[in-house]
Formats: sequence, C-alpha cells, structure tokens
Amino acid sequence: DVKVTQSSRYLVKRTGEKVFLECVQDMDHENMFWYRQDPGLGLRLIYFSYDVKMKEKGDIPEGYSVSREKKERFSLILESASTNQTSMYLCASSLGGLREKLFFGSGTQLSVL
Amino acid sequence: QQQVKQSPQSLIVQKGGISIINCAYENTAFDYFPWYQQFPGKGPALLIAIRPDVSEKKEGRFTISFNKSAKQFSLHIMDSQPGDSATYFCAASKNTDKLIFGTGTRLQVFP
Repeated sequence: DVKVTQSSRYLVKRTGEKVFLECVQDMDHENMFWYRQDPGLGLRLIYFSYDVKMKEKGDIPEGYSVSREKKERFSLILESASTNQTSMYLCASSLGGLREKLFFGSGTQLSVL
Repeated sequence: QQQVKQSPQSLIVQKGGISIINCAYENTAFDYFPWYQQFPGKGPALLIAIRPDVSEKKEGRFTISFNKSAKQFSLHIMDSQPGDSATYFCAASKNTDKLIFGTGTRLQVFP
C-alpha cells in the first residue's frame, strides 16, 4: 500500500514564525499536493508538484511556498505564520495524471497563536 | 469561486437506511467525478468514481448516480452502517486537470 507520511500530527506555532510541514511518499509518485481542510470549505489546493523542482500554484497559494528537492518529499512552508493559517493540512500524492487516485496523509493540525 | 456545490453539509441516518449526498456543477467540460471518504483522524481515500458516459456506477452498497443534463451527481449508500460514519467529498475534473472538491458532508449513522 502507498504510504504518505506527514511529519507532525499536531503543531502549535506563534504568529510570525516560519513553519515547515513535511511530507514523504514511498511509492515513487510523480505528483504531490498540499491541501488545507477547513469546516464548511472542504479541501482547497494550495500547491502541487508534478516533478522534482517543479511546482504550480493551486487555488489558495498566498502566504505559502513549497519545495520539492527529491521526488519522495514535498514541503510546505509558511514564511510568516498568521492566525488565519490555523487549519488542517493534508498532503497527497498520485501516480500518472493529476486527477488520478490521490493518496492522502493523515494530516497536520496546525494552530497559529 | 465554488465550482462543485455539495449538500447537505451534515446528514444523520438510522442504521439500515439510505444515505444520499448530492453534488452539482456548472462546467460542462468536467468528465471525471470521484467520491472520497474520510474517517476521523485520517486523510481522504478514493471510494468510487464515475465518468459521464454512464448514468450509474455501483460498488457494493455504494452507488453513484449521474445526471448529465441536470449537471448533478449523487452518492447513495444503501443499508447504511455505523462504520460508514465519515466525511464524504465529491470532486470533479476536466481533461487531465487537477480535482476540484466539494465542501464535504459529515455523515453519522446511528444504530
């Protein structure tokens, strides 16, 4: 089974801190994604990557950046965390097309105080 | 701009009943409609998907009904069980583009 591992289940940070969320997948998938999940708003795409060092903005990229230096690892960076970035962050990967079966990690619940 | 509208936001069903979740879309170019299921503390997982060349797809107790003219598709869970309690997301995509998700439906099935 594909495994997508997110480094932290819960994270508490202060406003203005730089935050790194890490994601690793073990099935050599080309595509990786970062979503945030908020009640009533569903899953919103922040960034995605279809290859190493390649990245594309999703629907809500403001305040975020990403890094993909190795195929298996995709990092989400909050340059200066703000309280409105308190959310559940989900990483996903897929093989083949961007809409093919997504495999999600269990999520990181980030609280920015 | 919400391109996939999902309803209801929450749903309570008695064990053995039928759960129905609806999604509507505007973009007629959408040609792939999956449903994802998310249990508490877990990430979503693909449950079932349909393409517009068929009006219905069934996998076990889960059925997707698709109405192309109405631009609607729905998930039916027959004989709902407490183990089906989860959040369900519909999604849509055109060509090979990324998925656009609905806002989610929290389903609770009571014994």
